[in-house]
Amino acid sequence: TQLLEQSPQFLSIQEGENLTVYCNSSSVFSSLQWYRQEPGEGPVLLVTVVTGGEVKKLKRLTFQFGDARKDSSLHITAAQPGDTGLYLCAGNSNSGYALNFGKGTSLLVTP
Amino acid sequence: SAVISQKPSRDICQRGTSLTIQCQVDSQVTMMFWYRQQPGQSLTLIATANQGSEATYESGFVIDKFPISRPNLTFSTLTVSNMSPEDSSIYLCSVPGTKKTYNEQFFGPGTRLTVL
Repeated sequence: TQLLEQSPQFLSIQEGENLTVYCNSSSVFSSLQWYRQEPGEGPVLLVTVVTGGEVKKLKRLTFQFGDARKDSSLHITAAQPGDTGLYLCAGNSNSGYALNFGKGTSLLVTP
Repeated sequence: SAVISQKPSRDICQRGTSLTIQCQVDSQVTMMFWYRQQPGQSLTLIATANQGSEATYESGFVIDKFPISRPNLTFSTLTVSNMSPEDSSIYLCSVPGTKKTYNEQFFGPGTRLTVL
């Protein structure tokens, strides 16, 4: 199993602050995905990064894939209460299409 | 992206009973996945369900405990058998994206199971 370690596990910040969440592994992934999960809902795909060094932006969210394709980061600028949720990184397992998930970062943004 | 629904959305069950969870997709898909998310934990893959063949189970999960049906390309069920409190979790089904983005998955809203 290819393990994905996420940090920090919990993050509580005030509206307007910036934050970065990390997803690290000793294994190489063909791609990594970031999902956000809100209470009572299933995870919702935010982005997929495929190329080493790739940077993708989704409004105030910036995603980066490491050059060696072993790690990824998610940076949120000027966080808002609507960003609150569980952020999960995931990569393809050796068995093909199924995903291995990190343990997630639980983010709370207070007004 | 596919639209996925699950039934029931939540249930409270007694120890020793079984619960069958349904997953319906609005389009035909070859593969469907079943995950478990224990309280405060991330998602763990239980099995991959292909239409017309036996499900493939991940290490630590067995067919007797989690039998899966896949009668057609838009529907699957997962049964949690002989439940114990340790089975209290959110159970999620998912499907892959289109061929070009086959490594992405779309999830149902989950079934929150509490076993007393």
